[in-house]
Amino acid sequence: DVKVTQSSRYLVKRTGEKVFLECVQDMDHENMFWYRQDPGLGLRLIYFSYDVKMKEKGDIPEGYSVSREKKERFSLILESASTNQTSMYLCASSFSPGGNEKLFFGSGTQLSVL
Amino acid sequence: GQNIDQPTEMTATEGAIVQINCTYQTSGFNGLFWYQQHAGEAPTFLSYNVLDGLEEKGRFSSFLSRSKGYSYLLLKELQMKDSASYLCAVRVKGYSTLTFGKGTMLLVSP
Repeated sequence: DVKVTQSSRYLVKRTGEKVFLECVQDMDHENMFWYRQDPGLGLRLIYFSYDVKMKEKGDIPEGYSVSREKKERFSLILESASTNQTSMYLCASSFSPGGNEKLFFGSGTQLSVL
Repeated sequence: GQNIDQPTEMTATEGAIVQINCTYQTSGFNGLFWYQQHAGEAPTFLSYNVLDGLEEKGRFSSFLSRSKGYSYLLLKELQMKDSASYLCAVRVKGYSTLTFGKGTMLLVSP
């Protein structure tokens, strides 16, 4: 089975801190994604990556950056955490190219920014 | 951009059948996915439709009409464990990303 592992299940940070969320997948997938999930808003795409060192902005990239130095690892970075970034963060990966490119999700990181 | 609509909440009784609808407006449609998400857990893949018609997989079926921008997920013989949020997601041609609806919370009662 595909495994997508997120480093932390729960995280509490202070406003202004730099926050790193780590995600690792073990299926050699080309594509990796970061979503955030908020009540009433659903899943929204922050950033994604098609390959090592490549990144693309999603629908809500403001306040975030990403890093993909190795194929299996995709990091989400909050340069200066703010309270409105309190959310559930979900990492996902998928195989490329085309067809039934279903996403495999990690268990999520619930981030609270105080 | 894309617009995806699905009901916020639905309730049903154990053993019954429930249909969760999803309508979408998008350019360059290239597939519709349904995911199930239990509280506190990751979404898991249920079904994929890219052509019109019904895809059946055990107790779950998914239907797509591209001309109407409409899909539904049909759950038969409901069980308590089917209580979850059901997410409709659309893929656009040329992209591997999925855009998700806000999800439908299904509550199955005894």
